Order: sequence, then structure tokens, then C-alpha cells
Amino acid sequence: GAGVSQSPSNKVTEKGKDVELRCDPISGHTALYWYRQRLGQGLEFLIYFQGNSAPDKSGLPSDRFSAERTGESVSTLTIQRTQQEDSAVYLCASSLEGTTGGYTFGSGTRLTVV
Amino acid sequence: GNSVTQMEGPVTLSEEAFLTINCTYTATGYPSLFWYVQYPGEGLQLLLKATKADDKGSNKGFEATYRKETTSFHLEKGSVQVSDSAVYFCALNPMGSGGGADGLTFGKGTHLIIQP
Repeated sequence: GAGVSQSPSNKVTEKGKDVELRCDPISGHTALYWYRQRLGQGLEFLIYFQGNSAPDKSGLPSDRFSAERTGESVSTLTIQRTQQEDSAVYLCASSLEGTTGGYTFGSGTRLTVV
Repeated sequence: GNSVTQMEGPVTLSEEAFLTINCTYTATGYPSLFWYVQYPGEGLQLLLKATKADDKGSNKGFEATYRKETTSFHLEKGSVQVSDSAVYFCALNPMGSGGGADGLTFGKGTHLIIQP
């Protein structure tokens, strides 16, 4: 597609429920990144995919967080047993250029855990 | 480790004022440097970038020069407009990291408010 698409744009969930966030990167972009942006904070790196492998999962905050990517396409970020501190905007970005290029970001999913 | 420090906001200026948003970084090797902008309700957009020392990135009237000696990448604009109101993020991507394994390292963002 023309840009990075994320869905849903907003999600309100009850504490303890599982949620799944989706990211559709730009076609042909091999690298895909997930970030978390808490209110008033900077961006926190979560996970990076090169193709469908994830060489670096060290940014995932706990074992309740997991992510998958199908081929060089859609990625899903799953949060199990959500907690209130998971409330944030989850941003996805994709890149063609790798280490020297900038990323194209989606508009994010605003997650609110009540 | 890598880190980016940028000035705290909000920064409030009048239209047509001169803008500087300071950004300094800590990194091993020779990182690429970026400024991203986030307009209200939108995702982050790449504003400009510089990939080596003394490079100047520029876009939409904004400029930033990669200063290795001071490890800085300050964002400047000669005459700001109300439409420049947004959050600005300084970021680095370390070179030679094996393919972006750590992703971009971002500063905390500076909220810029331009008053008419």
C-alpha cells in the first residue's frame, strides 16, 4: 500500500483481556518495527523484524507481549492479560533502506486498558 | 549504549520567530541522525536526516547539521508558522549494528506550540 496501515486505530479493553494489534507495512519493505509511546513519553522500542524473523526481541516489556510477521507482510502484536500500564499508542514502522534510512510510521493504535 | 537527549518542552513561540530545538546524542561508531515530526492526531513523519559528519539535512524550511565534535544535531528554522505546531523527535540509528537490530533510538520529543 501507499503507507503503513495500522488497525484498529483505537482499542478500549478490560484489564485481563487479550488484544491483537495489526500492522500492514509498505509493500516491499523488508524491515518492520514496533514501538510504544506512553503519554508524554518518548518512543520505546519493542521489536524488530527482518523479513519474518525477529533477531531482536529484547525490547518486549514482558512475556505477555509477543509478535509475529507473515513473510515480509503483515505483523501482529499480541498483548495477553492486559494491564493498565499497557495503555499507550503502539506504533509500527517499516523501512526499505535498513540502517541508514528513515522509517515510515503508521498512525498508531491507541490502546486503553480500563 | 545509545541515547538521545533533546530539550524539554513545551516550547512556545510567536509566528515568524526563529526556532532552535537542541538535540545531543551518545552512540558508538558513526550513527545516522534524524528528525521526525508528529502533527496532532497523526503518525510520525520523517522530517530530515543526515548520515555523516558535517552533512546538513533540510526540509520544509527546517535544517539540522550533523556535528560530530559536539555530538549534536540541533533543529533550526528561520521563521516558524502556526502549522509547524507539533511534537519533534530527534533520533539516531547506529551504523554497523547488523541491520537495525535496535531500531531507531528516539529522544523524548519536544512539543512546539506556535502562536499567531
